[in-house]
Parts: sequence; C-alpha cells; structure tokens
Amino acid sequence: EAQVTQNPRYLITVTGKKLTVTCSQNMNHEYMSWYRQDPGLGLRQIYYSMNVEVTDKGDVPEGYKVSRKEKRNFPLILESPSPNQTSLYFCASRTGTGGLGQPQHFGDGTRLSIL
Amino acid sequence: QQPVQSPQAVILREGEDAVINCSSSKALYSVHWYRQKHGEAPVFLMILLKGGEQKGHEKISASFNEKKQQSSLYLTASQLSYSGTYFCGAGNTGTASKLTFGTGTRLQVTL
Repeated sequence: EAQVTQNPRYLITVTGKKLTVTCSQNMNHEYMSWYRQDPGLGLRQIYYSMNVEVTDKGDVPEGYKVSRKEKRNFPLILESPSPNQTSLYFCASRTGTGGLGQPQHFGDGTRLSIL
Repeated sequence: QQPVQSPQAVILREGEDAVINCSSSKALYSVHWYRQKHGEAPVFLMILLKGGEQKGHEKISASFNEKKQQSSLYLTASQLSYSGTYFCGAGNTGTASKLTFGTGTRLQVTL
C-alpha cells in the first residue's frame, strides 16, 4: 500500500531535549516536505526536499533541521525544542515529475507537545 | 504569503450547496484542494492548472480563474461525509516546488 509513515504519532517532551520525527514513503517520490499545522493558521511549510541531498527552507524553518540522505526518508530534527514548537506536524511527498501539477500524499501526522 | 480562503466557516444542511473561495496575491500556476477530517491527514481532492479549467470529482467541482488569481470549490447537494476543513494550496508561478496553503474553511454538514 502506498503510504507516508510518520513516527512517533504522539510525543510529549521537555524544552531543550533533542528529538527527531521520522518520515518514510514507499512511493519512490522525489519531493518531500514538512508542514506544521496550528489552529487558525492552516498548514505552513517548514522545509522541503526536491531529491536526495537537496533541501530548502519553507516559510517557518527556524528551530528545525532536516536531512535527505535516502530517497525514502526525510527526518525532521528539533535540536533544542521550545514550547512554541508545540504543534501538529505533517510529512508529505509527491512525485517530482510534473512539479506543482502533482498531488501531495500526507502522513497521518505527529502531535508534538513541548513543556 | 498564504492565499486567503472564504468563508472561514460554514454550516449546511444535508443537500444544500456551498462555495469555498481561494484567492492568491501572486500569480498562480496551480491550485490544489484538500479536505481534512478532524484529527486526520489532509486528503487530496483535485488539482487545477492555469488555463481556467474546471474539474469535477463526484459532486465536488472547482474552477480556476488565472487572471483573478482565484479558485472556487463547489460542493453540490452536500452529504454528511463532506464535513471537514477544506484547504486550498497555491502553486505560484516561479516557485517550482512550493505549495502555500490557505488557512482553511471549516465546513459542517448537519441533518
């Protein structure tokens, strides 16, 4: 089954404790992206990757890091999490062919609470 | 800058119609529409590419006015299953990979 898998689904942690949210897709998609969703603000892009070793900032990249060492994986790293990063996070992927004419497939989301 | 969606929220009775609008301040190459049920991932509905085409998906269709930099989503004879939050994603000309989402329209369909 074609899917985007995020882990963990839920995480409660404390300020300053490094964490990683993993994202994996099995559709051989070139493009992957991370979004955060906050009430009233919709989905805002954090980082995206056009392919292996190619990443770029989205609209709200501060406080986050990403890496793309393999095509299927795109982890989101919070080196020193703060309470304002409490949010619902979604990973998405799409094929690179056709660019913005292709739909994005979303993972089930990771609800992150930072105390 | 995020596209502006209107209305922010709407309540319908089953069988009624609704229109959700999405307006961008920048030139559009494509518009994506997604629906999100509470606590779930956004689900793809349709994509419209520049050229003013209209698309349909069951009783849900959409139009794209490139000149006005707007798209509208039409929900006809709404069903309870249509409830959720609808997001438009703007693919702006010149940003080959970036999709910017609106803040969403919350739709509730009641009996």
